[in-house]
Amino acid sequence: EVKLVESGGGLVQPGGSLRLSCATSGFTFTDYYMSWVRQPPGKALEWLGFIRNKANGYTTEYSASVKGRFTISRDNSQSILYLQMNTLRAEDSATYYCARVTGPFAYWGQGTLVTVSA
Amino acid sequence: DILLTQSPAILSVSPGERVSFSCRASQSIGTSIHWYQQRTNGSPRLLIKYASESISGIPSRFSGSGSGTDFTLSINSVESEDIADYYCQQSNSWPTTFGAGTKLELK
Repeated sequence: EVKLVESGGGLVQPGGSLRLSCATSGFTFTDYYMSWVRQPPGKALEWLGFIRNKANGYTTEYSASVKGRFTISRDNSQSILYLQMNTLRAEDSATYYCARVTGPFAYWGQGTLVTVSA
Repeated sequence: DILLTQSPAILSVSPGERVSFSCRASQSIGTSIHWYQQRTNGSPRLLIKYASESISGIPSRFSGSGSGTDFTLSINSVESEDIADYYCQQSNSWPTTFGAGTKLELK
C-alpha cells in the first residue's frame, strides 16, 4: 500500500524558516517524481515544485511564487521527501501536501498545516 | 502558464441527478487533464486521468471526456458522499496548473 505522511508544520513568525518532511512507503521511492502542493484555507490547490526521479538525476523545478525561497530535496535511503521553506510570509500559510507524480498526482499525503503569523 | 477555468463555481444537485463539471484550458493541452475530488478536511483524490481514463477503486458513476481545450467530468447519479470540491489539473506543459475548483452541494 502506498503511503505518504507529512510532518513538520506549525506556527512560524514572518521571515522564519520551516522544514517539512514527507515519509513514504509502499513503492520504490527512487522511481518517482515527487511534488509539493499547497492549499491556503478555503482556496484552491497550488503546485509548488517537484524533484525528478533517479533516471532524471533528481533535479528540481519550482513555481515562480516560491523559487529562491523554497527548496525540495529527498533522502532516497530513507524514502523521505523534504521541503525547506525560508523567508516565510503570511501568504505562505496553507496546508502543504506531498504527492507522487506520474503526470497526474496519483497519491497524496494527509497534509500538514503551516501558519505564518506574528 | 496554462490557465484552467472551471465552471460553475458552485453546483447544487439532488441525490440521483446527473451532474457535469467544466474545465477549459487557455490553450490546447491534448488530453493531459486530470480530475480530483476533495472532501471537507480531506486530501485530494484522483478520479480521472488523461481526460477519460478510469482509476482503480473509483466508482463507475464518475466519467470524463474532452480534448484540446474543453473538458468535462460527469457524475452519473450523484450520491451524498460525492459532496466535495472538484479540481482539474493539466500536465501538458510545465508548470502544471490547477483550476480554481467547483463546489458540489446538495439542494
